[in-house]
Amino acid sequence: GESVGLHLPTLSVQEGDNSIINCAYSNSASDYFIWYKQESGKGPQFIIDIRSNMDKRQGQRVTVLLNKTVKHLSLQIAATQPGDSAVYFCAENRDYGGSQGNLIFGKGTKLSVKP
Amino acid sequence: EAGVAQSPRYKIIEKRQSVAFWCNPISGHATLYWYQQILGQGPKLLIQFQNNGVVDDSQLPKDRFSAERLKGVDSTLKIQPAKLEDSAVYLCASSLARRRQYFGPGTRLTVL
Repeated sequence: GESVGLHLPTLSVQEGDNSIINCAYSNSASDYFIWYKQESGKGPQFIIDIRSNMDKRQGQRVTVLLNKTVKHLSLQIAATQPGDSAVYFCAENRDYGGSQGNLIFGKGTKLSVKP
Repeated sequence: EAGVAQSPRYKIIEKRQSVAFWCNPISGHATLYWYQQILGQGPKLLIQFQNNGVVDDSQLPKDRFSAERLKGVDSTLKIQPAKLEDSAVYLCASSLARRRQYFGPGTRLTVL
């Protein structure tokens, strides 16, 4: 079925390096994408979102890239810090009718930052 | 601004017992969601409310799960009777702007 997935279940990076977390989506009708960070024992925390009419969006230390041609989404974290260690989820959404639509989550990538 | 509040944070019950979770969304957020997150997986939507009306409950196991949102603010999710496979974290989220959802800390349910 259609779902959002991630290329790698785990990612280990050195403190100070840049991190890139990838996500593949299969539904070409999806027009909104969002990244969440989930620390152990906590709920998902909003990081950044992007609409399908954009291919790049930047936040504080984070950048999301969207490639609709290959249905690929990535989250780049600059100067990764130990506090960035968490599971990262991408989610997709498509607007339909009068509803806001529902987020469909992938399984997540666990980011570990080595000091 | 206060975030989404949930209680209890943890619950352990025996199978076939009933359990209820409570959620208070961010003030002013008209849309409220309940998700189930099984260990190692992403959250899966159970039900979506717009004010006090149900927008989508297509993935809610209605033979045992029920939810309500009285007065369009707080919400409760109930499981009766619980099964072993219901062990999961139950997350509540709310949104104001379209689609950007903010999550609460979740309730971790263990069914023995």
